[in-house]
Amino acid sequence: DGGITQSPKYLFRKEGQNVTLSCEQNLNHDAMYWYRQDPGQGLRLIYYSQIVNDFQKGDIAEGYSVSREKKESFPLTVTSAQKNPTAFYLCASSIDFRGQGPGETQYFGPGTRLLVL
Amino acid sequence: AQSVTQLGSHVSVSEGALVLLRCNYSSSVPPYLFWYVQYPNQGLQLLLKYTSAATLVKGINGFEAEFKKSETSFHLTKPSAHMSDAAEYFCAVSVFSGGYNKLIFGAGTRLAVHP
Repeated sequence: DGGITQSPKYLFRKEGQNVTLSCEQNLNHDAMYWYRQDPGQGLRLIYYSQIVNDFQKGDIAEGYSVSREKKESFPLTVTSAQKNPTAFYLCASSIDFRGQGPGETQYFGPGTRLLVL
Repeated sequence: AQSVTQLGSHVSVSEGALVLLRCNYSSSVPPYLFWYVQYPNQGLQLLLKYTSAATLVKGINGFEAEFKKSETSFHLTKPSAHMSDAAEYFCAVSVFSGGYNKLIFGAGTRLAVHP
């Protein structure tokens, strides 16, 4: 079955530690996204990538970093500079940003919950 | 700027009752609108989307939404609630900005269904 996998399901971070969240998709999608979800708020875009080796900052990129070395993988690192990292992190992908323009559906993974020790 | 407002952060209905979740959007161009559902500790699942083909859009699990341009609304309905419908629902508008598709989400509405 095609889909998006995220690991781990739960992640604990110590003060001053960098942690990396994994996102893998086998949908052959070009574009991938990282969102942060906090209680009572909608999803906010952290980073997005339209093609391999290219990515752009979203609305709340400070304290986060990403890479896109392979089409199917888009890991997110939460750095020690992110002072309030506790949240639910969602990865998404869409088929081809260049082909469809607006209205393209984004498909979401199951999420990773990050907690601070 | 495009935005989405979901009226009511919490909605509670009885099993078998009508479900109505409200969404209003702000967009300077014809919008592409989505409804997603999120069950506890899970990702978002697409319920339906509006792409201007028809104003009444049917989705999964018996949900539908009607696009009303004059009211800038895209409310989600289901004639008869089921216990399994209890979840959080997000309305979103898609904009093509800076060379990519950006989804702007509302704050969400948590639906509770009681016996």
